[in-house]
Amino acid sequence: NAGVTQTPKFRVLKTGQSMTLLCAQDMNHEYMYWYRQDPGMGLRLIHYSVGEGTTAKGEVPDGYNVSRLKKQNFLLGLESAAPSQTSVYFCASRPDIPGADTQYFGPGTRLTVL
Amino acid sequence: GENVEQHPSTLSVQEGDSAVIKCTYSDSASNYFPWYKQELGKRPQLIIDIRSNVGEKKDQRIAVTLNKTAKHFSLHITETQPEDSAVYFCAASRGPGSARQLTFGSGTQLTVLP
Repeated sequence: NAGVTQTPKFRVLKTGQSMTLLCAQDMNHEYMYWYRQDPGMGLRLIHYSVGEGTTAKGEVPDGYNVSRLKKQNFLLGLESAAPSQTSVYFCASRPDIPGADTQYFGPGTRLTVL
Repeated sequence: GENVEQHPSTLSVQEGDSAVIKCTYSDSASNYFPWYKQELGKRPQLIIDIRSNVGEKKDQRIAVTLNKTAKHFSLHITETQPEDSAVYFCAASRGPGSARQLTFGSGTQLTVLP
């Protein structure tokens, strides 16, 4: 049981390049979330999903797209990377069980955009 | 939307002393308040949470208090140890209809001095 995993762990992009971050969970969780973490600003929600085939915008969705084609995977895409997207990206998941509100985080992806 | 403010941003205490971190929230509909601990280079991990129908919750050396009227909640760590050194984040959430979207505070760097 690996929990929540993220690939890659590190990535350096040039401005304008595109990339996809993969989040995978093996806990059969319905809900999945993408956050970005910047110094002094805590974690901010980018997009989230309440189940396979569904996605919704969070607090800071501009410049990102997401897809949830399989229940266990949640992909975060950057179509044209900008230096402002330099950040640490965390994925999280939780089950759809009343009272089970804990979000379990992945190890993070450190992205640098030059 | 929800706004969560967290204070202080840094906190240094002597080993064995107590530490208190405070958060305020803006949305009176928020009803779930988790606290996460993040060690350097690691993922955030839940340490304790509280719901709006409870005023206080304890787990060994950690306690959280909630004042719904004033819209603030606090984390209390007693008998601090060097391994308590980390960044602590508070968060608030409505729901479950909101998919438990979390709004995080900006974090508190706690340093426990030996």
